[in-house]
Amino acid sequence: DVKVTQSSRYLVKRTGEKVFLECVQDMDHENMFWYRQDPGLGLRLIYFSYDVKMKEKGDIPEGYSVSREKKERFSLILESASTNQTSMYLCASSSNPGHKNSGANVLTFGAGSRLTVL
Amino acid sequence: QKEVEQDPGPLSVPEGAIVSLNCTYSNSAFQYFMWYRQYSRKGPELLMYTYSSGNKEDGRFTAQVDKSSKYISLFIRDSQPSDSATYLCAMKIGETSGSRLTFGEGTQLTVNP
Repeated sequence: DVKVTQSSRYLVKRTGEKVFLECVQDMDHENMFWYRQDPGLGLRLIYFSYDVKMKEKGDIPEGYSVSREKKERFSLILESASTNQTSMYLCASSSNPGHKNSGANVLTFGAGSRLTVL
Repeated sequence: QKEVEQDPGPLSVPEGAIVSLNCTYSNSAFQYFMWYRQYSRKGPELLMYTYSSGNKEDGRFTAQVDKSSKYISLFIRDSQPSDSATYLCAMKIGETSGSRLTFGEGTQLTVNP
């Protein structure tokens, strides 16, 4: 019954490494999002995408990039990981109003990927 | 100043208690209000969704929106240990895909048996 799948639950990387976080959804949703969640700061939007090959910056895009080559897949890339990118990363998807699976355009989240950068 | 303010807690109550969780916000353009529940080491899941002002009830949960005061609440009746989680409020201006959610920080709730 898993609908948004994040490939890695726990990762440990070294400073300067390139990191890929993968997210796949099986609900045919148009919109996909990457958030990070930190104590005291809550959920902050990094990037989002409304369509294949389309991306928009969120509130904290610095140090990140994304890729959406297929509708069901949205990848978050850390080109050169830094210790301040240690965080919980959450992927989410949503449909547009009128979609067959529409839940009033609400977000469905994955289980999260906890990244530690040493 | 944050657009959405939520007391992070932690909040600890005995089983059976009525729990009140709250958020305040500053942007009067918000029209859609949500509560998400997040269990430890899991992603958030939608609990309640309301549009504009008023109340909405779903089992033991009641969501309340007071737009005049820019204040939303989630009430949990007859709280259970399984309700122990972090509760996040979220809100947005419109229903289209261009309308982004703004989240509160989340309140950590523990219901003790």
